Amino acid sequence: QQQVKQSPQSLIVQKGGISIINCAYENTAFDYFPWYQQFPGKGPALLIAIRPDVSEKKEGRFTISFNKSAKQFSLHIMDSQPGDSATYFCAARAPQGAQKLVFGQGTRLTINP
Amino acid sequence: EAEVAQSPRYKITEKSQAVAFWCDPISGHATLYWYRQILGQGPELLVQFQDESVVDDSQLPKDRFSAERLKGVDSTLKIQPAELGDSAMYLCASKVSGLQETQYFGPGTRLLVL
Repeated sequence: QQQVKQSPQSLIVQKGGISIINCAYENTAFDYFPWYQQFPGKGPALLIAIRPDVSEKKEGRFTISFNKSAKQFSLHIMDSQPGDSATYFCAARAPQGAQKLVFGQGTRLTINP
Repeated sequence: EAEVAQSPRYKITEKSQAVAFWCDPISGHATLYWYRQILGQGPELLVQFQDESVVDDSQLPKDRFSAERLKGVDSTLKIQPAELGDSAMYLCASKVSGLQETQYFGPGTRLLVL
């Protein structure tokens, strides 16, 4: 119930294309869903986040779509650029107790020029 | 821009040896986390501090791992003795308080146990 399942493991997209990464969860108590971007040798950095009372959030080329009934959320990167090549992690926060983040397995995104 | 500092960045050790990692969170951040990230996987929480108190250490292998944050500022994570399976990236993160949502991660310490 504490797991967040992420797919695909790896993704190759042409420059200018749309990158889509999906996550699914079971725990309906999760109350905050961030996406983190990680470059090699660096720590993860917050990219964009959403709460379950909103179905979509857009920041620049990055959009989160959230489907509460299906317990799924996805990251869309529009006009993907080579600089977007990184590993992306979805996460979910349990509101109780320590409010810890549970991370997905990660998606290694490569944008071909 | 303030950042979470970690040292060392890389550590190679032999199994059964002791290792220690240090983290200095962003100034004013009361909540501090230690995560372990195995290659190809997402970070997994080891321990969470609120000021100097442990909030969650349910995933910390307490027979060999210990963590402290004595003055509620910087923190040390220790492994003794190290095992081959401990090879991973150890990430520190911090945030302002329990209600604030964004965790800021440091660059991590990559540990290789031979």
